[in-house]
Amino acid sequence: SAVISQKPSRDICQRGTSLTIQCQVDSQVTMMFWYRQQPGQSLTLIATANQGSEATYESGFVIDKFPISRPNLTFSTLTVSNMSPEDSSIYLCSVEDQGLGYEQYFGPGTRLTVT
Amino acid sequence: GQNIDQPTEMTATEGAIVQINCTYQTSGFNGLFWYQQHAGEAPTFLSYNVLDGLEEKGRFSSFLSRSKGYSYLLLKELQMKDSASYLCAVSSGYSTLTFGKGTMLLVSP
Repeated sequence: SAVISQKPSRDICQRGTSLTIQCQVDSQVTMMFWYRQQPGQSLTLIATANQGSEATYESGFVIDKFPISRPNLTFSTLTVSNMSPEDSSIYLCSVEDQGLGYEQYFGPGTRLTVT
Repeated sequence: GQNIDQPTEMTATEGAIVQINCTYQTSGFNGLFWYQQHAGEAPTFLSYNVLDGLEEKGRFSSFLSRSKGYSYLLLKELQMKDSASYLCAVSSGYSTLTFGKGTMLLVSP
């Protein structure tokens, strides 16, 4: 399975600011995803990061709030813009392994606290 | 819409067997996944079922009944390190996973 790293691992930010989270994979992958996991909750898909085109957002998530870049097949960024305390969450990137059942492998996550 | 249900919490004793159930109602079905998530860590892939029946992998087994919209994860010979949250996730379309809220399993000595 792919090895996925994320930066930063955690951050504390002030409301109204923005934070960009990086996701790096050690091999080329077609599909990359960004999830949010709020305290005590399960994972919610924010968007699919498409290489060479705009990200595909899930219902309730918009590009102005969560702009995503995917410049190549090993790297993606998620920006959390104009943050509020409600954005405090763990943000995870994942990649899909098309070798078996399209299972997804997750990065270690970025724990964001907005004050 | 998508709906995935699993118990919130379960407790079991070291060495015992525990079964975590998951029921789902989704607009499509391309397979069901189980993930394990320890506190403060990312989810790790445990199993995948797309056909009815039981898939066994060491101490862990996963069962699927598509007609009933039902799956379970069976953990045998429980160890303390199995204390974690177990997430049921359904693929209902190309590369789209919907996760349940997870079952927190506490294994006691």
